[in-house]
Amino acid sequence: GAGVSQTPSNKVTEKGKYVELRCDPISGHTALYWYRQSLGQGPEFLIYFQGTGAADDSGLPNDRFFAVRPEGSVSTLKIQRTERGDSAVYLCASSITGARETQYFGPGTRLLVL
Amino acid sequence: DQQVKQNSPSLSVQEGRISILNCDYTNSMFDYFLWYKKYPAEGPTFLISISSIKDKNEDGRFTVFLNKSAKHLSLHIVPSQPGDSAVYFCAAKPEGFGNEKLTFGTGTRLTIIP
Repeated sequence: GAGVSQTPSNKVTEKGKYVELRCDPISGHTALYWYRQSLGQGPEFLIYFQGTGAADDSGLPNDRFFAVRPEGSVSTLKIQRTERGDSAVYLCASSITGARETQYFGPGTRLLVL
Repeated sequence: DQQVKQNSPSLSVQEGRISILNCDYTNSMFDYFLWYKKYPAEGPTFLISISSIKDKNEDGRFTVFLNKSAKHLSLHIVPSQPGDSAVYFCAAKPEGFGNEKLTFGTGTRLTIIP
């Protein structure tokens, strides 16, 4: 079956612009996660959804970052007033329920802020 | 503060030999540990996990060992194959359902030499 998909695969933007990154989880998975991976680092947790609600958003670095999952399926990560330091690979993962279930990752969106 | 540490950024092993990847953690609240494998331009792929109530878990060529008192885990791959060449991430999750965010190490790049 289809895995987690993310669009776009690459995004180049200018400092100060607004970007949206999309994640389509595996069908039927109620839990969805966003992580960010900077060069030479491991993935860093941003936010976790259980259904439509954000169960844990403790990893969002500041209020320029926001994520939604209005219908409990597709999620969008929104970054306002982008900064060069936001450049990274943004990874999305999903799991069946979230309770100790394996998280399946998508290929990521590579964001470059010039 | 790096709560999950992979101190070897790279490792080269001859095909057919054993690969041993190490991981240390500092947070005593972690009680579930996972290994992910990552190829370039792809998302991390789940390999194997272990709960803190066990000290060993085996799945085919992959075995994970956990030493809770030393806060250390290792992944053994035997025999190593060329397709095992990838970056390996150790990840940990705290106890308690609902605490689903993974904390990752910085990864070890494994190269299998034919």
